[in-house]
Amino acid sequence: AQKITQTQPGMFVQEKEAVTLDCTYDTSDQSYGLFWYKQPSSGEMIFLIYQGSYDEQNATEGRYSLNFQKARKSANLVISASQLGDSAMYFCAMREGSGGSQGNLIFGKGTKLSVKP
Amino acid sequence: EAQVTQNPRYLITVTGKKLTVTCSQNMNHEYMSWYRQDPGLGLRQIYYSMNVEVTDKGDVPEGYKVSRKEKRNFPLILESPSPNQTSLYFCASSLFHGTGAINYGYTFGSGTRLTVV
Repeated sequence: AQKITQTQPGMFVQEKEAVTLDCTYDTSDQSYGLFWYKQPSSGEMIFLIYQGSYDEQNATEGRYSLNFQKARKSANLVISASQLGDSAMYFCAMREGSGGSQGNLIFGKGTKLSVKP
Repeated sequence: EAQVTQNPRYLITVTGKKLTVTCSQNMNHEYMSWYRQDPGLGLRQIYYSMNVEVTDKGDVPEGYKVSRKEKRNFPLILESPSPNQTSLYFCASSLFHGTGAINYGYTFGSGTRLTVV
């Protein structure tokens, strides 16, 4: 079973509007971390935001926020005031706290975001 | 500057010709990992290493070898490359692994685009 599910292969958003990228996860661990990475067309992986399973407040980093709903096991990325430079592939990832192979960072398949001028 | 350095960035090779992709990090990270990225499949882990001389298979290890003789280096070896290994490869490192590492994301290299003809 997939541990990280991103159901939106591609999305469009108008410049200056907000957009939500969906991510659901599956784990039996109580302790885990959730990450979002951005991959522009140049290919590098850029860390955006992190949420720990015990964090009570949603994480925010500038225009990025993470809508963390623990009971629903969802960790959606919200980008406010979209910019043309936000056009990229976005990956949701999870790291479990149990160590061993389960401590590796596991990625979803990604969502390609296109920002329209 | 703290970074993960991969070389080469681009490589075109022929089937069966052994090749090595180098990866080096300057952050004294214990944990290192290799991923491959293919369209529609996200990032899949090939091998990882929790410390010097400790390596283990990820989800797609067939056709690859790794070694971790020094803490900073984690080369990926393709003994006999085949066209199905054409992909974008990422090396990544993390401060440490296991319980308590959930809030540590990965630092990624810039990627290696490999084409096997």
